[in-house]
Amino acid sequence: EPEVTQTPSHQVTQMGQEVILRCVPISNHLYFYWYRQILGQKVEFLVSFYNNEISEKSEIFDDQFSVERPDGSNFTLKIRSTKLEDSAMYFCASSGTGVYNEQFFGPGTRLTVL
Amino acid sequence: AQKITQTQPGMFVQEKEAVTLDCTYDTSDPSYGLFWYKQPSSGEMIFLIYQGSYDQQNATEGRYSLNFQKARKSANLVISASQLGDSAMYFCAMREGSQGGSEKLVFGKGTKLTVNP
Repeated sequence: EPEVTQTPSHQVTQMGQEVILRCVPISNHLYFYWYRQILGQKVEFLVSFYNNEISEKSEIFDDQFSVERPDGSNFTLKIRSTKLEDSAMYFCASSGTGVYNEQFFGPGTRLTVL
Repeated sequence: AQKITQTQPGMFVQEKEAVTLDCTYDTSDPSYGLFWYKQPSSGEMIFLIYQGSYDQQNATEGRYSLNFQKARKSANLVISASQLGDSAMYFCAMREGSQGGSEKLVFGKGTKLTVNP
């Protein structure tokens, strides 16, 4: 069964450093998303992406964040200058072929900012 | 305003019994979809079941069913014949607008279910 993959599974970085989180969505999916989950809290929407541009972004997704689909398979989230409060689990999701257009989530990348 | 409310931070159930996890929602959009996801301790998010706002019947998927009461704006998840492997966090989520686009999911805070042997 096709699945969304994410790398790395865990990233530790120093405050102020740039990080890139990588995702490979399910092939043939058209819509891509990033969510984050701070430990013990609910999952929060960051950004959606379709047709090579951002469809919607949340208040969390400020100028420090950017997304890119550099080729036909990868979908990346970049945080330019990480803050302590960016520590969270980051989930990539994709949709487009499910019966209900449900979003399929990757296993997540746990980002720890020291 | 909170769009998805899950009032049960934690629930306990005996193995083989049924359990209901509550979810209420708030929207003014006549077209919306409601989803339940399971998050085991390993962290991944697993899609369980979907209910569309125009669906006439309650959704069912194996041991999962959704008690959809549109007038009350509730979409409770019922798990029948609980198994130890059902122990996890369960999130209710809503997508506003007609399906087929890139509409985001809005999640509730989740309910931690523990199945006791």
